[in-house]
Amino acid sequence: AQRVTQPEKLLSVFKGAPVELKCNYSYSGSPELFWYVQYSRQRLQLLLRHISRESIKGFTADLNKGETSFHLKKPFAQEEDSAMYYCALRGDDKIIFGKGTRLHILP
Amino acid sequence: EAGVAQSPRYKIIEKRQSVAFWCNPISGHATLYWYQQILGQGPKLLIQFQNNGVVDDSQLPKDRFSAERLKGVDSTLKIQPAKLEDSAVYLCASSWGDRGLEQFFGPGTRLTVL
Repeated sequence: AQRVTQPEKLLSVFKGAPVELKCNYSYSGSPELFWYVQYSRQRLQLLLRHISRESIKGFTADLNKGETSFHLKKPFAQEEDSAMYYCALRGDDKIIFGKGTRLHILP
Repeated sequence: EAGVAQSPRYKIIEKRQSVAFWCNPISGHATLYWYQQILGQGPKLLIQFQNNGVVDDSQLPKDRFSAERLKGVDSTLKIQPAKLEDSAVYLCASSWGDRGLEQFFGPGTRLTVL
């Protein structure tokens, strides 16, 4: 069965400090993994996907098949990073979202 | 480009009543998704359309929920009759294709069942 786990409901980080939002998944095949973000009063939107190997707004995420993880990282947090972050997995033609982590950047 | 449109934005009904939501995807997007997002949880896929055909409706409670996408463009999601546990935000999303592609989300419809 497919599963996505985001262990932290809330993560508070000081501005300028590193950020790591954890995502672990369970899937027997080759997954497609995504991070979606929802800023206050805005729509849910794609932040990045593992197949692109890109950095968006300073965020990166590496797929670690050995640890079945897809953690989202940023070296220096900015206040505008405060938002709700969802990890999502697509496998077997089904897409599953995690419960989300609220990132709160402290001034 | 215009984004995904949804209406209404808010709806309050009593249990056992019926309700319908409407979604207009981004022009040219073949794939349309309906999600249910209960407070404190991530979006849960209810149904996925490819043009006007259903790709996946395994998590749609078919005894009370129905959805259609006539002509492969707009879509409606209906709940009949509603239960208290249906209170949630209903999100519509669309994408050019299905696998690995970015989904564009609408603003959602917040449903409250009393």
